[in-house]
Amino acid sequence: EPEVTQTPSHQVTQMGQEVILRCVPISNHLYFYWYRQILGQKVEFLVSFYNNEISEKSEIFDDQFSVERPDGSNFTLKIRSTKLEDSAMYFCASSVGPRYEQYFGPGTRLTVT
Amino acid sequence: SQQGEEDPQALSIQEGENATMNCSYKTSINNLQWYRQNSGRGLVHLILIRSNEREKHSGRLRVTLDTSKKSSSLLITASRAADTASYFCATDEVPGNQFYFGTGTSLTVIP
Repeated sequence: EPEVTQTPSHQVTQMGQEVILRCVPISNHLYFYWYRQILGQKVEFLVSFYNNEISEKSEIFDDQFSVERPDGSNFTLKIRSTKLEDSAMYFCASSVGPRYEQYFGPGTRLTVT
Repeated sequence: SQQGEEDPQALSIQEGENATMNCSYKTSINNLQWYRQNSGRGLVHLILIRSNEREKHSGRLRVTLDTSKKSSSLLITASRAADTASYFCATDEVPGNQFYFGTGTSLTVIP
């Protein structure tokens, strides 16, 4: 069964550094998403992406965040200058359409020290 | 914006019993989805119910949706120890394409 994959599974970085989190969505899916989950808290929407454009973003997704689909398979989330409060699990998801099931990857645990 | 809120926050039952979790939300939705998350792991999609549907089944799962009460319930029948996890509802609000997750119900099934 096709699944969403994410790399790395765990990333440790120092405050102020840039990180890129990578995702490979399910191949026939057209909509891609990033979410984060701070430890012990709810999953929060960051951004949705369709047709090489951001279709929606939340208040969390400020100027330090960017997303890109650099080729036909990868979908990346870049955090330009990490802060301690960016420490969280980051989940990528994909779906065939905007009102369909979203399938999540296993997540990348980001630790900012 | 709106958020799903589940209750109870925690539920502990014996294997073989049924587990019922509820989700309430505040505004109009396109659909509502239920997910399972094992500790420290990713989210597993369980079931999607659209705003024009009232009930849906998938194996041992039964989901209901009452748009007049803005609530949904997830019933897991004949629970197993492997069902131990956190369960979240996520609402797809109108308009927009953002998913809002609730705080989840932590289910423990005792063998």
